[in-house]
Amino acid sequence: KNQVEQSPQSLIILEGKNCTLQCNYTVSPFSNLRWYKQDTGRGPVSLTIMTFSENTKSNGRYTATLDADTKQSSLHITASQLSDSASYICVVSVVSGGSYIPTFGRGTSLIVHP
Amino acid sequence: GAGVSQTPSNKVTEKGKYVELRCDPISGHTALYWYRQSLGQGPEFLIYFQGTGAADDSGLPNDRFFAVRPEGSVSTLKIQRTERGDSAVYLCASSLTFGGEQYFGPGTRLTVT
Repeated sequence: KNQVEQSPQSLIILEGKNCTLQCNYTVSPFSNLRWYKQDTGRGPVSLTIMTFSENTKSNGRYTATLDADTKQSSLHITASQLSDSASYICVVSVVSGGSYIPTFGRGTSLIVHP
Repeated sequence: GAGVSQTPSNKVTEKGKYVELRCDPISGHTALYWYRQSLGQGPEFLIYFQGTGAADDSGLPNDRFFAVRPEGSVSTLKIQRTERGDSAVYLCASSLTFGGEQYFGPGTRLTVT
């Protein structure tokens, strides 16, 4: 069964600190891996997208890495801000012909304290 | 421009009733997706449309769930004989083309009492 596991489940850090969120998946083969940020009561917003041939992608203070051999991805947040408090969701998708099969992780809940 | 909008934002209904949830995608986006998110969980794929047709409905949990997109723009998710287990946030997303970046709406929180 295709699965996406995220860790930690929740994380509390101080403003200005860095942190790294992990995503392990068993989806195979996959077409792309996305990281989303979801604020409470809002829909997810895409941060990065990577295909299996890419191993790093940056978006401002967010940097995602991908190791397709070990089926692991990480999201590194640099110099955290209070507005980074949200749930971060890893999504691995298989896109084949007309079929679209996304597998979502449960997310990591990040709280940034002043 | 306007993003994806969903109405209503909240819906409370009694067990056994019928509900309709509406999604207005970003203008010009051909692909539209429906997801369901339970508390503390990631979104769960339900169905996606390419134009007017349901290209993949493999995520619909059972035949009480149905979705339409008659003119290739607005979509309606319909749930018959609602059950308490249907309570969740229903998210809609659209993308310019199939497989492209998805833009999510704020969701409709459905509560079945």
